[in-house]
Amino acid sequence: DTEVTQTPKHLVMGMTNKKSLKCEQHMGHRAMYWYKQKAKKPPELMFVYSYEKLSINESVPSRFSPECPNSSLLNLHLHALQPEDSALYLCASSQSEVFGGEFFGPGTRLTVL
Amino acid sequence: DAKTTQPPSMDCAEGRAANLPCNHSTISGNEYVYWYRQIHSQGPQYIIHGLKNNETNEMASLIITEDRKSSTLILPHATLRDTAVYYCIVGNNAGKSTFGDGTTLTVKP
Repeated sequence: DTEVTQTPKHLVMGMTNKKSLKCEQHMGHRAMYWYKQKAKKPPELMFVYSYEKLSINESVPSRFSPECPNSSLLNLHLHALQPEDSALYLCASSQSEVFGGEFFGPGTRLTVL
Repeated sequence: DAKTTQPPSMDCAEGRAANLPCNHSTISGNEYVYWYRQIHSQGPQYIIHGLKNNETNEMASLIITEDRKSSTLILPHATLRDTAVYYCIVGNNAGKSTFGDGTTLTVKP
């Protein structure tokens, strides 16, 4: 199994909603990532988990809350988002934080109304 | 972390080699060069990476200059399905390697 899966594929939410994005990999990778990508822009790193511990938070607003329940799963909890948070949210994993060659999931297209 | 410079767009004829350049003049000795591509509305796809030596895999070849200040990704026989945004990234820590604006490669029939 050499893929990263993300659910849901699309999500529409209001500014007062609470929702979660899910990411799963079964490659035994010990580093997992959340990226945000706006239209026609490159992906921007949000969070890095290494061995299930948060190692990098790129000054992301607290309305985004990551969680790594185990080595295969990564969640991104969303609360009180703004319309400008609408974007493609990408999950990725790699063997470790030191090694690159990240595998990316297909992303969740988020629209905040 | 070293920054990269890539041309914003390139065209290539189907069946011909596509040569995508990347400048990374501030690369440090322990930083790798990675290439990814992103086909419209999909997640980025890892292509290849290298440190000093040229590398080849089933997808592409990576040529790194001796001074390591630039590199070229070569798709030997481009197909229409290779149309994508190609990102060159430099880093030694996946969490600290940032995506630049990339090159939009359009393969034309």
